[in-house]
Amino acid sequence: DQQVKQNSPSLSVQEGRISILNCDYTNSMFDYFLWYKKYPAEGPTFLISISSIKDKNEDGRFTVFLNKSAKHLSLHIVPSQPGDSAVYFCAALGETSYDKVIFGPGTSLSVIP
Amino acid sequence: DAGVIQSPRHEVTEMGQEVTLRCKPISGHNSLFWYRQTMMRGLELLIYFNNNVPIDDSGMPEDRFSAKMPNASFSTLKIQPSEPRDSAVYFCASSRTGEQLFGYTFGSGTRLTVV
Repeated sequence: DQQVKQNSPSLSVQEGRISILNCDYTNSMFDYFLWYKKYPAEGPTFLISISSIKDKNEDGRFTVFLNKSAKHLSLHIVPSQPGDSAVYFCAALGETSYDKVIFGPGTSLSVIP
Repeated sequence: DAGVIQSPRHEVTEMGQEVTLRCKPISGHNSLFWYRQTMMRGLELLIYFNNNVPIDDSGMPEDRFSAKMPNASFSTLKIQPSEPRDSAVYFCASSRTGEQLFGYTFGSGTRLTVV
C-alpha cells in the first residue's frame, strides 16, 4: 500500500497561471516532506521541503503548504512557466537520521505557452 | 563535483542474461540509495546503504536482485537472470546521513530494457 499518494497523474496549466500539485500521505509518523522535480532523461532534483512543525514554506515562485490533520500537502507554482513542465514527486520521511525517503508516484505538469 | 555517476545510461539485454548497473556516489556522501522508476509504481526504493553497509533491502523485489557496496565510492545493482518485467529506469542517489531533508542527489539513471 502506497504511503505517499499523488492522485493526479497529470496536470495542464496555462503559462502565467497558478499550478497546484497535491499529495496525500497515510503514515502519521512522517515528519518531513519534500518535493522533487524531474525532467526527461535526468534524475530527480530536490525542489523544496517542509517540516511538520510548519504549515507553509516559500521559495521564490514555489510554496509548499502542509495540512497535518488532513495528511495533505500541496505545491503551488506562481506564476507557472513553460520551463516548469516536468514530473513532480512528493516525498516524505520520518525524524531519525536513518529514515529513508518515500516517494509518491509523481504528477506530470505541462505548462502551455 | 561531478555529481552521482551512473553507468551505463542505457542497457538492452535479452531475457535470462545478467545485468549489472553501476553507481559512483558523491565524495563525502555516506548514504547510498537504489531506486527504480516505473509508470505503475513511480519511484520505489530498492535498497539503502549507510557507510557501505546495507541498512534496508526490503524493497528488493526478489532474489534475482542483489546489490553491493564494496567501498565508499562504488556500488552495483545486479539482476540475474533478468526478465522483461525488470524493464525500468534505475536511479542511484546519495546523501550525507541526516541530511535527507536537504534532498538526495540523484544520478541520471540507467534505462534498462529486457527483451
